[in-house]
Amino acid sequence: QVQLQQSGAELAKPGSSVKISCKASGYTFTSYDISWIKQTTGQGLEYIGYINTGSGGTYYNEKFKGKATLTVDKSSSTAFMQLSSLTPEDTAVYYCARGSGSWGQGVMVTVSS
Amino acid sequence: DVLMTQTPVSLPVSLGGQVSISCRSSQSLVHSDGNTYLHWYLQKPGQSPQLLIYRVSNRFSGVPDRFSGSGSGTDFTLKISRVEPEDLGVYYCLQSTHFPLTFGSGTKLEIK
Repeated sequence: QVQLQQSGAELAKPGSSVKISCKASGYTFTSYDISWIKQTTGQGLEYIGYINTGSGGTYYNEKFKGKATLTVDKSSSTAFMQLSSLTPEDTAVYYCARGSGSWGQGVMVTVSS
Repeated sequence: DVLMTQTPVSLPVSLGGQVSISCRSSQSLVHSDGNTYLHWYLQKPGQSPQLLIYRVSNRFSGVPDRFSGSGSGTDFTLKISRVEPEDLGVYYCLQSTHFPLTFGSGTKLEIK
C-alpha cells in the first residue's frame, strides 16, 4: 500500500535552515508528484508547492518562494523540503502528500531561540 | 488565490444525527478539462487529514456511504448521516482546480 514516511520533529533556531524528508513506498515513485502542505493553528492548511518526481520540475506557491526548496532523490524514492531563514512564523506541522489521497504523518518544525 | 469559505466553524451533533457542511469558492472550480476538483477531508486529533470525497461526490476507498458530497460551480456540500463517534474531528474542503491549491478553514464536528 502507498506509504509516505516523514522524518522526525525538528527544533531550529531563527535564521537557520531545516531539511525534512518524505520517503515513499508501495508505488512507482516517479509516477506521481509530491506536494507539501503547511498547517498552523492560526493560518490553517496552506499549500506550499509540488515537485515532479520524474523531472524534478517544481511549482511554488508565491507565498513560499524563497522559503521552501523542493528536491527529490529518485534512487531512494525520497522527496525533501528545505526551509530557510527560519522565523517563529515557520513553526508548523509540514505534510507531504501524493495526489489527494495519501499524506505523510507530518513533521513538527519548531523555530525558537 | 481562490478563497474557500467553509461554514459553520463548529457543528454540534448528536450521535446518529445528520449534518451538512458548506464550502463556497470565490470562483468557479470547473477546470478546463470539464472536471471539478473539490475534495473533502477529515482530520482526527493527532492525525493527518484523510480523504473522504474527491471531485465533489466520489467516495474514496473505504469511506462509508454515510458520507456524501454534492454541488457545482462555486457551491458545495458535505453531508454526514447517522453520525458515529469515529466521525468526530475537523472537516476541510480543498480545491485543486486552480493554483495555488487552497483549503477551507475547517469545520469542527463535536458531540452535542
